[in-house]
Amino acid sequence: DQQVKQNSPSLSVQEGRISILNCDYTNSMFDYFLWYKKYPAEGPTFLISISSIKDKNEDGRFTVFLNKSAKHLSLHIVPSQPGDSAVYFCAASARGNNRLAFGKGNQVVVIP
Amino acid sequence: NAGVTQTPKFRILKIGQSMTLQCTQDMNHNYMYWYRQDPGMGLKLIYYSVGAGITDKGEVPNGYNVSRSTTEDFPLRLELAAPSQTSVYFCASSYPTAEAFFGQGTRLTVV
Repeated sequence: DQQVKQNSPSLSVQEGRISILNCDYTNSMFDYFLWYKKYPAEGPTFLISISSIKDKNEDGRFTVFLNKSAKHLSLHIVPSQPGDSAVYFCAASARGNNRLAFGKGNQVVVIP
Repeated sequence: NAGVTQTPKFRILKIGQSMTLQCTQDMNHNYMYWYRQDPGMGLKLIYYSVGAGITDKGEVPNGYNVSRSTTEDFPLRLELAAPSQTSVYFCASSYPTAEAFFGQGTRLTVV
């Protein structure tokens, strides 16, 4: 039972344009959401997170939006750069529980 | 800063063999985790630990064992390896209610 879902497994975007990645979750107990970036043959690297008390968190070119009523979050990367080409995982955890549930990941390819 | 270090990076095992995947972290994190990632899938939690001497099962614990005798080390033991355990294994650590830091992974093939 996939509690965190990432559809549209791959995305190609032109350098300088916006990349938007979507993530849906089913567990209403989740209150902390994270995005990880993964390059081939490396471990996932933390990118940005958001707590359920917020609806937006921004860090440089990366912004995460949370819509609790829809159980949906999205990651915006603007402007996209070739170094952003990677697999992006959405993850979530419940209060008092550090166990992360991961989505299947989205492959992003930024075309120079 | 070494962060989370996993060894080995690659390993081929024969069916029925055993091995231990090593994981050590130098960030003094209480929490440590083992995940596996199968092709085209997200990471699934095998075991986790909230401190030395305390371990608990995750989502997919069957066929694995762990121990946590120190804060730094969290080895994962595979007994009687099976082809279904072919995967990439990631160890991670974190403070409570904080993001996890991952190692570079161990690619295991069981033939």
